[in-house]
Amino acid sequence: GQQVMQIPQYQHVQEGEDFTTYCNSSTTLSNIQWYKQRPGGHPVFLIQLVKSGEVKKQKRLTFQFGEAKKNSSLHITATQTTDVGTYFCAISGTYKYIFGTGTRLKVLA
Amino acid sequence: SQTIHQWPATLVQPVGSPLSLECTVEGTSNPNLYWYRQAAGRGLQLLFYSVGIGQISSEVPQNLSASRPQDRQFILSSKKLLLSDSGFYLCAWSEAVDTQYFGPGTRLTVL
Repeated sequence: GQQVMQIPQYQHVQEGEDFTTYCNSSTTLSNIQWYKQRPGGHPVFLIQLVKSGEVKKQKRLTFQFGEAKKNSSLHITATQTTDVGTYFCAISGTYKYIFGTGTRLKVLA
Repeated sequence: SQTIHQWPATLVQPVGSPLSLECTVEGTSNPNLYWYRQAAGRGLQLLFYSVGIGQISSEVPQNLSASRPQDRQFILSSKKLLLSDSGFYLCAWSEAVDTQYFGPGTRLTVL
């Protein structure tokens, strides 16, 4: 079945450093979504990308969809302690979603 | 606006006991509903999804079952819990296959 690989699994950064997580699929995707889950919380939708090569920004977060629509990245500039959590990508199939394994981000103050 | 409720928030159950977790959605009609399980520090495992009343699709064969007795109510059940059923259970809804909105979750510990 359809799968999406997400790397890295963990990332520790110093506050102020940048952070990037990547999602890769072997098949062409119709869209990709990104979610953030704070420690102890539930996943919260961040953004959806649909178009080839699409780039969207939310303050310090930059989301990109690959030209071939097989990969996506989430980049955080100048991380803050509030960025701590696990970031998931998700791809949609018929009626359901497939989530990546997530990247757990720790920010050291 | 739409809201999603899950209860209980935490649950400690002995092995072999039954389970019933409830999820309700307000402010929308005919949503797609989902049950996920998340082991500690792990990703999201889709357990069941439903596109309508009485319509349940199972993703993982196991000792859990789901039911949707009403349009905005989704129930996760088990007749006999196993140790491996421990985890964080999340209910989610979406309109068609679009943005998913997750409930606050239930932390289940099976002892």
